[in-house]
Amino acid sequence: GEDVEQSLFLSVREGDSSVINCTYTDSSSTYLYWYKQEPGAGLQLLTYIFSNMDMKQDQRLTVLLNKKDKHLSLRIADTQTGDSAIYFCADYSGYALNFGKGTSLLVTP
Amino acid sequence: NAGVTQTPKFQVLKTGQSMTLQCAQDMNHNSMYWYRQDPGMGLRLIYYSASEGTTDKGEVPNGYNVSRLNKREFSLRLESAAPSQTSVYFCASSEAQVNGGNQPQHFGDGTRLSIL
Repeated sequence: GEDVEQSLFLSVREGDSSVINCTYTDSSSTYLYWYKQEPGAGLQLLTYIFSNMDMKQDQRLTVLLNKKDKHLSLRIADTQTGDSAIYFCADYSGYALNFGKGTSLLVTP
Repeated sequence: NAGVTQTPKFQVLKTGQSMTLQCAQDMNHNSMYWYRQDPGMGLRLIYYSASEGTTDKGEVPNGYNVSRLNKREFSLRLESAAPSQTSVYFCASSEAQVNGGNQPQHFGDGTRLSIL
């Protein structure tokens, strides 16, 4: 599939907010996804947003969608050390997910 | 509630050996997928099965075969392993795609495969 773009690294201090950005390519995706991968583990579905929504909030997570610019962001409020992981955004291409390369989030005390 | 189960978790092979990676899901999902994850490359789709009895190639199918054994199980086979196939392999499943609406995929914990 065509590229889903993400920045590769983000470092924040514990307690600050983290914002991970993504640009996607497939405007026909019904949903857009954020997955989290902890070291040595599989991908965990973190949240997803329906393509006709602008924003979705789920506890500390806020997803913003700008369909015009094909821009998706994930905001984590009050970031904790346990949030350190790789975060992938994904759209759909045909029948399967099309992933970005992932953003490594490092949370420092 | 196991979700998606992959076996084995780790495997080391010699070049030219064959092996089958197993995947089973207990969520009654129609669709199943195999991805590989390489450093700096994200996840790439190898094969998928939209429903029982069907399989289709993804982005990187060369060197692999798949079998959708039944609704629960979807296996990935390397007939003659090559060092370039050293990777982490993930299986995933989802509800069927209906009316163009895509469904979330649920992933197993992965198989870490090294080819020497």
